[in-house]
Amino acid sequence: DVVMTQTPVSLPVSLGGQASISCRSSQSLVHSNGNTYLHWYLQKPGQSPQLLIYRVSNRFSGVPDRFSGSGSGTDFTLKISRVEPEDLGDYYCLQSTHFPPTFGAGTKLELK
Amino acid sequence: EVKLQQSGDELVRPGASVKISCKASGYTFTSYSMHWVKQRPGQGLEWIGAIIPIIDTTEYNQKFKGKATLTADKSSNTANMELSRLTSEDSAVYYCAREGYGYRFDYWGQGVMVTVSS
Repeated sequence: DVVMTQTPVSLPVSLGGQASISCRSSQSLVHSNGNTYLHWYLQKPGQSPQLLIYRVSNRFSGVPDRFSGSGSGTDFTLKISRVEPEDLGDYYCLQSTHFPPTFGAGTKLELK
Repeated sequence: EVKLQQSGDELVRPGASVKISCKASGYTFTSYSMHWVKQRPGQGLEWIGAIIPIIDTTEYNQKFKGKATLTADKSSNTANMELSRLTSEDSAVYYCAREGYGYRFDYWGQGVMVTVSS
């Protein structure tokens, strides 16, 4: 299985500040069709995960432009600018290029 | 509006089975695969398997073969997952999630907490 390594495990931030989360895969996430199926989720306390970014850099419907994704191959990054209280929670990356789909272990975004 | 409504929390005895459901609304149920994800308390997310309702084809994470059985009822737009021979390791929240365009899980149910205890 593809191992997804997320760092850091915990990320203290100030409101209005910026946060950056890394996700590295144990093998390239470029599919044979040329697409890269790397997605980002936020799980707020007591809630289900919600899709933020799909296919590396595309914001899902309703996701503010404070969230941005980038990367290629095996290295990916989620950036959050101007952090707001509703951004706090656990962030997960997911790869669905290879079977089975696998998630990173998560990054907890919390107040400094 | 796409919605996935899951059944209620369950308390089950070790060795028993449990069936949880996920009722879909707001889209054509047969047009999208449905996935299931496990989350143990305080832990990360683990993919269990998926079903393609229109052809009743399933695929499973090797780790969950023999543990989880996925089915779909097209007449009620409901996906189901049965977990068998339950142990404490199966105590977790189980989510259903629709697979949208680009192999992404775009909508999730609210989750079902399964507690295995005597």
